[in-house]
Amino acid sequence: GAVVSQHPSRVICKSGTSVKIECRSLDFQATTMFWYRQFPKQSLMLMATSNEGSKATYEQGVEKDKFLINHASLTLSTLTVTSAHPEDSSFYICSARDMRGLPYNSPLHFGNGTRLTVT
Amino acid sequence: DQQVKQNSPSLSVQEGRISILNCDYTNSMFDYFLWYKKYPAEGPTFLISISSIKDKNEDGRFTVFLNKSAKHLSLHIVPSQPGDSAVYFCAASYPGAGSYQLTFGKGTKLSVIP
Repeated sequence: GAVVSQHPSRVICKSGTSVKIECRSLDFQATTMFWYRQFPKQSLMLMATSNEGSKATYEQGVEKDKFLINHASLTLSTLTVTSAHPEDSSFYICSARDMRGLPYNSPLHFGNGTRLTVT
Repeated sequence: DQQVKQNSPSLSVQEGRISILNCDYTNSMFDYFLWYKKYPAEGPTFLISISSIKDKNEDGRFTVFLNKSAKHLSLHIVPSQPGDSAVYFCAASYPGAGSYQLTFGKGTKLSVIP
């Protein structure tokens, strides 16, 4: 089945530093990847839609300059949290859809998430 | 404004009994609905889905029911097993959403008691 790998699974960083999170589709091509954020006991909130070879589309209220997204290939998207602050501490999850001849409503496959703690 | 609502944050069910998880939505453009299961510190795993042209979809112990007029769907798990204990997210999408992105509910934590 389709597998999405997310790395690292857990990271602790100091306030003011930047952190990069990688999301890879291991056995399929993902022209579109999505980045979500989850606070405790809250829903998965879509942050941005990452399209291969073009700029990401950010949801309202998400700072583009703070959460840099790069989708340079069909199998890799990265999220960089720049100048991290304690309030950026959260669970970040990426997802991708296998676009090979499937209808638009094929299910998303998720990575295992990254727990970011900013001290 | 939450377009997908799961009003029960938690549910406890005895092993072997039926678990019923509910989800309501407000956006009438949604035409595809999915349930995801999530364990702590892991990403969600796709469980089952239903298109708006259907009112029921069954896969083993899992059945999803859709009531379009009430904008309500439910996930039935029969019989419930301890391994089903997880957070269940209801999600919805429609063709016009950017790259078919999903809108999630807040989740319901299911605890199946042995």
